[in-house]
Amino acid sequence: RKEVEQDPGPFNVPEGATVAFNCTYSNSASQSFFWYRQDCRKEPKLLMSVYSSGNEDGRFTAQLNRASQYISLLIRDSKLSDSATYLCVVNPAGANSKLTFGKGITLSVRP
Amino acid sequence: NAGVTQTPKFQVLKTGQSMTLQCAQDMNHEYMSWYRQDPGMGLRLIHYSVGAGITDQGEVPNGYNVSRSTTEDFPLRLLSAAPSQTSVYFCASSLRGPHSNQPQHFGDGTRLSIL
Repeated sequence: RKEVEQDPGPFNVPEGATVAFNCTYSNSASQSFFWYRQDCRKEPKLLMSVYSSGNEDGRFTAQLNRASQYISLLIRDSKLSDSATYLCVVNPAGANSKLTFGKGITLSVRP
Repeated sequence: NAGVTQTPKFQVLKTGQSMTLQCAQDMNHEYMSWYRQDPGMGLRLIHYSVGAGITDQGEVPNGYNVSRSTTEDFPLRLLSAAPSQTSVYFCASSLRGPHSNQPQHFGDGTRLSIL
């Protein structure tokens, strides 16, 4: 099992749709989790951290399920500007840990 | 506020040539890292540094060298470029290492083609 796996996608949804992405991780000791957004030919940027109790930022909701070892990102009321690639990022554990990036899933929101 | 600055943005090399990708940050970040991003592969860690004078290998270090003589700069050297090193390279920094849960700040990237 790969360290971090994301839905293969791509996702193509109409404006206003709700879309959810999942990301599974293999290391049960993983300590922290993030979602990054990457626009075409641009650098990744932090979208939001994922907290154990789940967290929300406007139309975006991130959740963590430690028992099943996955994180999710829910986008409500999709906008055209949400079109991008979404990367899940996992910090395995320990002081010498290295971030592991998922391959990313591409979302296209159509008018 | 410059953040993380990478130069050059684009480069074409011939096989066997050497070059250095520059990365500088002005946020006094301890942790710096280099990634390469290839289609279908995601971001892969090449080398990283937890502070001046300290570097370590990531997932795909072969063919690359790094040094960290100052907190601000973290150059990546290709000693003898190979076509397999054609990729987009991102430098990133964070206040502390990944264990601190600090967000990574990325540079704009360097698009490198090896002919």
